[in-house]
Amino acid sequence: AQTVTQSQPEMSVQEAETVTLSCTYDTSESDYYLFWYKQPPSRQMILVIRQEAYKQQNATENRFSVNFQKAAKSFSLKISDSQLGDAAMYFCAYRSAADMRFGAGTRLTVKP
Amino acid sequence: SQTIHQWPATLVQPVGSPLSLECTVEGTSNPNLYWYRQAAGRGLQLLFYSVGIGQISSEVPQNLSASRPQDRQFILSSKKLLLSDSGFYLCAWRAGTGYNEKLFFGSGTQLSVL
Repeated sequence: AQTVTQSQPEMSVQEAETVTLSCTYDTSESDYYLFWYKQPPSRQMILVIRQEAYKQQNATENRFSVNFQKAAKSFSLKISDSQLGDAAMYFCAYRSAADMRFGAGTRLTVKP
Repeated sequence: SQTIHQWPATLVQPVGSPLSLECTVEGTSNPNLYWYRQAAGRGLQLLFYSVGIGQISSEVPQNLSASRPQDRQFILSSKKLLLSDSGFYLCAWRAGTGYNEKLFFGSGTQLSVL
């Protein structure tokens, strides 16, 4: 079965600075999708960014960007100009066909 | 509009009691549906997913089961709850294709087994 690994249980960043969250995955599929979700204290899941595996160009969404390394099966999230509202749990997710799996999450703290 | 309903929001059940959590979606047909569990301070664990009525894929062998009696209804059940079943349960619905694909989550059920 496919697995998603987030090796950083907790990360912290100073407001306005940049932070990178790591994610690796294991799959034998060639066609799949990768996602980063944010879960604030309200516990709702919010899509941050997505990446199609067939695209070489890294996805970007405003202050959020990814570094997708397909050969290394790595999918890191970079948050630039961190804001207090970015504090949350961040989950990396993988989907192939109907199967959608999440990593264990990284708790991000933003220091004022 | 597309939406997902999950209830109840909180539930406290004694060990050995049965469980039934329900999830329904609106605004789409033949959605892919998912049940996840999030234990305290931990990540999301995929429990079940369904690509159609009566089609259930189980990821974790345990005392939980899932059913999809209707296209837009997904139920998580247990005949006898264990202490280890405590956690935050999330139902999700995947909609759209390609760039428009989205994953909608329900508001979750906090289950405490005592």
